[in-house]
Amino acid sequence: NAGVTQTPKFRVLKTGQSMTLLCAQDMNHEYMYWYRQDPGMGLRLIHYSVGEGTTAKGEVPDGYNVSRLKKQNFLLGLESAAPSQTSVYFCAGRSGGHNEQFFGPGTRLTVL
Amino acid sequence: GENVEQHPSTLSVQEGDSAVIKCTYSDSASNYFPWYKQELGKRPQLIIDIRSNVGEKKDQRIAVTLNKTAKHFSLHITETQPEDSAVYFCAASFGFGNEKLTFGTGTRLTIIP
Repeated sequence: NAGVTQTPKFRVLKTGQSMTLLCAQDMNHEYMYWYRQDPGMGLRLIHYSVGEGTTAKGEVPDGYNVSRLKKQNFLLGLESAAPSQTSVYFCAGRSGGHNEQFFGPGTRLTVL
Repeated sequence: GENVEQHPSTLSVQEGDSAVIKCTYSDSASNYFPWYKQELGKRPQLIIDIRSNVGEKKDQRIAVTLNKTAKHFSLHITETQPEDSAVYFCAASFGFGNEKLTFGTGTRLTIIP
């Protein structure tokens, strides 16, 4: 039982490059979330999903896209990376009927 | 949406003393209030939570209190230990089914031996 995992752990991009962050979970979570964490700003919700095939915008969605084709995976895409997207990205999942969100280990992304 | 304010941003206490972190929220429909602890370089982990139908909850040295009227809730850590040093985040639920969380900006707690 791996819980919530994220790939990759670290990545450096150049401005304008694209990439996809993968979040995988084996806890049968219905809900999945992508957050970014910046110093002094806490965790801010980018996008989330309430079930397979669904996605919705969070607080800071601009510049990101997501997909949830399978229940266990939630992908976060950056089509054209910008230095302002330098951050630590956390994925989280939770089960219906339960409130606790379980976080992945994070991905540190640097955009030069 | 929901807005959560957290204070203080940094807190240093002597080992063995108590620490209190306070949060206020704006949406009266919020009904779930978790606290997460994040050690350096690690993921946030839930340490305690409270629902809006309860005023206080305890778990060993940790307690959370909720004042719905004033829209604020607090984390209390008693008999602090070095391993309590971390960043603590409060959060409040919001959304159609309270499926989302808004987080505070965090409190860096340092326990002085």
